[in-house]
Amino acid sequence: AQSVTQLGSHVSVSEGALVLLRCNYSSSVPPYLFWYVQYPNQGLQLLLKYTTGATLVKGINGFEAEFKKSETSFHLTKPSAHMSDAAEYFCAVSVSAGAQKLVFGQGTRLTINP
Amino acid sequence: GEEVAQTPKHLVRGEGQKAKLYCAPIKGHSYVFWYQQVLKNEFKFLISFQNENVFDETGMPKERFSAKCLPNSPCSLEIQATKLEDSAVYFCASSQFSLNTEAFFGQGTRLTVV
Repeated sequence: AQSVTQLGSHVSVSEGALVLLRCNYSSSVPPYLFWYVQYPNQGLQLLLKYTTGATLVKGINGFEAEFKKSETSFHLTKPSAHMSDAAEYFCAVSVSAGAQKLVFGQGTRLTINP
Repeated sequence: GEEVAQTPKHLVRGEGQKAKLYCAPIKGHSYVFWYQQVLKNEFKFLISFQNENVFDETGMPKERFSAKCLPNSPCSLEIQATKLEDSAVYFCASSQFSLNTEAFFGQGTRLTVV
């Protein structure tokens, strides 16, 4: 069965510092991987996704993630944190080649310190 | 519409009462998904539809939960005889196709069972 593990339920960085949110997955088939962001009292917004092709994926708001098959990882990074990045971030894997059922990680709350 | 519309935003039910949640997917999207988010994390897949047909219901509790997507009507998720543990935010998402395409999430319905 597919699963996602996000290391660190809470990450705190200073404004302007590097953001690194970790995600490891388990999948018996080539995975489709996603990062979503959730702002308070909002739904999920897609940041970026990996399906096939280039392993470095660029998303919105300056975020990017790299698919590393050998490490079964899909870590999310942003070179310089902004106060508006404070939110909950979810990594997810798609489990089937059919309908896009998502299995989510536990989420990482990102706090930005001024 | 251009966004997934969920109603109501908040719903309070006494234990044992029925709760019914609605979701209007983005026009032209063939797939609808329901997820349950408990305690600000732990997204749990409930059910998916391809048009009006159930595609995957492996996440649906066997008792008390039912869902429908009928033509020309919002999709619905109904919980009979609610229990305290049903308190959660229920998210609906829709996608145009099944494979590799983004699932767009609604803003959720917060169900509180008292």
